[in-house]
Amino acid sequence: GAGVSQSPSNKVTEKGKDVELRCDPISGHTALYWYRQSLGQGLEFLIYFQGNSAPDKSGLPSDRFSAERTGGSVSTLTIQRTQQEDSAVYLCASSLDRGQPQHFGDGTRLSIL
Amino acid sequence: QQQVKQSPQSLIVQKGGISIINCAYENTAFDYFPWYQQFPGKGPALLIAIRPDVSEKKEGRFTISFNKSAKQFSLHIMDSQPGDSATYFCAPARSNYKLTFGKGTLLTVNP
Repeated sequence: GAGVSQSPSNKVTEKGKDVELRCDPISGHTALYWYRQSLGQGLEFLIYFQGNSAPDKSGLPSDRFSAERTGGSVSTLTIQRTQQEDSAVYLCASSLDRGQPQHFGDGTRLSIL
Repeated sequence: QQQVKQSPQSLIVQKGGISIINCAYENTAFDYFPWYQQFPGKGPALLIAIRPDVSEKKEGRFTISFNKSAKQFSLHIMDSQPGDSATYFCAPARSNYKLTFGKGTLLTVNP
């Protein structure tokens, strides 16, 4: 079956603009995660959704970052007033349930000019 | 405080050789110890994982060795192949939740 799908694959935007990144998890997966991969910080956890529970936002680096998951499926990560340090690859993962193996998408490469 | 320390940063191995990558962790609450493989332009893919109730797990050419008292685990790749050339990450977690990634090891297998 299809894996985790992320769009766009690449995004270039100007500093100060808002961006939205989309993640389509594997069908039937109840858990969804966002991670960020950058040269300086490596791979780091951002946010976790599980079913209808309140998300774990403990990894979000600032209040410019937010995410939502509508209908328990598709998720959108929004970055407001982008800064150059936001340049990174944003990765989404899903799992059948918490505690099950996480399957990653190929990410969105975000470049802030 | 760096919770996860991975070594070496890079590794060059001849085809047919053994590749060994190590991971040391601080958090004793971790109970899930996976290794991920990442190719350029792709997301990480789960390679093999172990729970703390066993000391070793083997899947084909890949083996995880786990030392709970030393808070370390390692990945061994036997009969390394050029197709194994990739970046490898350890990513321990509590209940496979909020993976804590190491900095990665770039493995190059020469033909």
